Amino acid sequence: DQQVKQNSPSLSVQEGRISILNCDYTNSMFDYFLWYKKYPAEGPTFLISISSIKDKNEDGRFTVFLNKSAKHLSLHIVPSQPGDSAVYFCAASVGNQFYFGTGTSLTVIP
Amino acid sequence: KAGVTQTPRYLIKTRGQQVTLSCSPISGHRSVSWYQQTPGQGLQFLFEYFSETQRNKGNFPGRFSGRQFSNSRSEMNVSTLELGDSALYLCASSGGLGQTYNSPLHFGNGTRLTVT
Repeated sequence: DQQVKQNSPSLSVQEGRISILNCDYTNSMFDYFLWYKKYPAEGPTFLISISSIKDKNEDGRFTVFLNKSAKHLSLHIVPSQPGDSAVYFCAASVGNQFYFGTGTSLTVIP
Repeated sequence: KAGVTQTPRYLIKTRGQQVTLSCSPISGHRSVSWYQQTPGQGLQFLFEYFSETQRNKGNFPGRFSGRQFSNSRSEMNVSTLELGDSALYLCASSGGLGQTYNSPLHFGNGTRLTVT
């Protein structure tokens, strides 16, 4: 039972444009949401998080949006850079237990 | 501050054998979690330890077990290996001083286990 879903396995974006990665979840008890970036042969690297009491959090080029009524999370990267090419995982947690999506592979084309 | 360290990085075992993987968390982190990553399945939660006690457990068979030591270092053991156990096993730590809830997981680079 996949409680966190990333329905787009891959995404290609031109350098300088916006990348939007999406994530849906089913458990309304989740209260903390995160995005991770993963390069091949490395572990996931924490990017940005948001608490369920907020609907937006920004950190430099990265912004996470949370729509609790739709149970939807998105990550915006502006502007996209070739070094952003990686697999992005969204995650949600409740009670220190984390659930991950299956990942979206982002390719930023120079 | 050193990150999460996992050893070994690569491991090849044959069916029926057992294996032990090791994880050293970030200094000061008291929670250690283990995940299995396989192609198309994302990260599947195995278990979480906090102060030497298993606090959460995922839906894996009893062949998968773990423990945490008093210095927060953790080991994961898989007995009677099966071909399907081939995966990247990731360890993550969280919960530095004062952070007991809603703190991000910090991952190591994983142990790539191949079962032949």
